Amino acid sequence: GQQLNQSPQSMFIQEGEDVSMNCTSSSIFNTWLWYKQEPGEGPVLLIALYKAGELTSNGRLTAQFGITRKDSFLNISASIPSDVGIYFCAGQLRTGTASKLTFGTGTRLQVTL
Amino acid sequence: DGGITQSPKYLFRKEGQNVTLSCEQNLNHDAMYWYRQDPGQGLRLIYYSQIVNDFQKGDIAEGYSVSREKKESFPLTVTSAQKNPTAFYLCASSFRGHYGYTFGSGTRLTVV
Repeated sequence: GQQLNQSPQSMFIQEGEDVSMNCTSSSIFNTWLWYKQEPGEGPVLLIALYKAGELTSNGRLTAQFGITRKDSFLNISASIPSDVGIYFCAGQLRTGTASKLTFGTGTRLQVTL
Repeated sequence: DGGITQSPKYLFRKEGQNVTLSCEQNLNHDAMYWYRQDPGQGLRLIYYSQIVNDFQKGDIAEGYSVSREKKESFPLTVTSAQKNPTAFYLCASSFRGHYGYTFGSGTRLTVV
């Protein structure tokens, strides 16, 4: 089964720095999603993108749906310690009523004071 | 409060034994999913179900089985045929055809 390629695999940054991560696919998707997972918990949805070229913000988070529909980007501005976790992208190609998500390999973010 | 509950949080199994992981949701979601998470590999789909009494294999179904007798419940059985069962298992649910997956807090299975 396909998995999306995320980069970087891990990041170590200082508090206050901005963060960028991206996700690429060999297939197109109708929807791109970004999730955050904290240790020992399930992922939580951060941002959903529905149209190619769309730019959406959620507080300090900004995500974009790539024009080719094969990639997406997530930026976090002014990072804080609670941003620590694993960030997953996910793509969805709706066919009829089926809506399986394909997940990326994850970007592990560590924030130091 | 509505949500999705996985139990137990931690599970230990001896080699050769079957074990069943529980997943219950009270969100009135139609679809339910099971994912396996290994370090550095993201989430891989094991099985999913769009409606009661129907389910489909995901990308890594070998060695696993599921049932969907009730809308609220989607238990996963890890059988002795699964060669490397130690992993973190995540259950999710959504309205049919909708992107908004809600995840449970996971079950960590360890084979001893």
